Amino acid sequence: KQEVTQIPAALSVPEGENLVLNCSFTDSAIYNLQWFRQDPGKGLTSLLLIQSSQREQTSGRLNASLDKSSGRSTLYIAASQPGDSATYLCAVTRRATNKLIFGTGTLLAVQP
Amino acid sequence: NAGVMQNPRHLVRRRGQEARLRCSPMKGHSHVYWYRQLPEEGLKFMVYLQKENIIDESGMPKERFSAEFPKEGPSILRIQQVVRGDSAAYFCASSPSGDYGYTFGSGTRLTVV
Repeated sequence: KQEVTQIPAALSVPEGENLVLNCSFTDSAIYNLQWFRQDPGKGLTSLLLIQSSQREQTSGRLNASLDKSSGRSTLYIAASQPGDSATYLCAVTRRATNKLIFGTGTLLAVQP
Repeated sequence: NAGVMQNPRHLVRRRGQEARLRCSPMKGHSHVYWYRQLPEEGLKFMVYLQKENIIDESGMPKERFSAEFPKEGPSILRIQQVVRGDSAAYFCASSPSGDYGYTFGSGTRLTVV
């Protein structure tokens, strides 16, 4: 059974810091890994999608890497801003099922 | 492209009533998924549908819950005889195919009183 864990559970940093969020999964037979952010009381916004043949994706100040063999992904946020404050979720899929298995989330607070 | 549209945004039902949640996928997306987020818990898969077919309902409670995605119109998640434990945020997502990324709607927040 696939389990997805995110560390840390919560993180508070001053504005401008670079930070790393971690995601680990127990079954390396994943197809895609996707990072989302969720603002309080809101839906999920897709940030980055890494397909199985890829090792990383970048969008603006965000960079996500994927190491399937070790069962890990990291989300790197450069020059953090207060607007980055949200819960960050990683989720994996397997080709056979198509359903997302979500991690436990990291609650990020960027202090101005 | 309006994205994934869910309505209503908020729904209040008394115990024993029925709740109907609607989801219109993004244009061109034929795969629809429903997830539930209980208070202080993570997102859990409920059901995966394609037009007129339920592909995977392994996350659906065995009783009172049903889902459909008809040939015409939105996908519907139906909860009969709601109980307080059904209070949660219900999210719909769609994708153009099973091997590409998902787009989520803003969710329906169900409160059972």
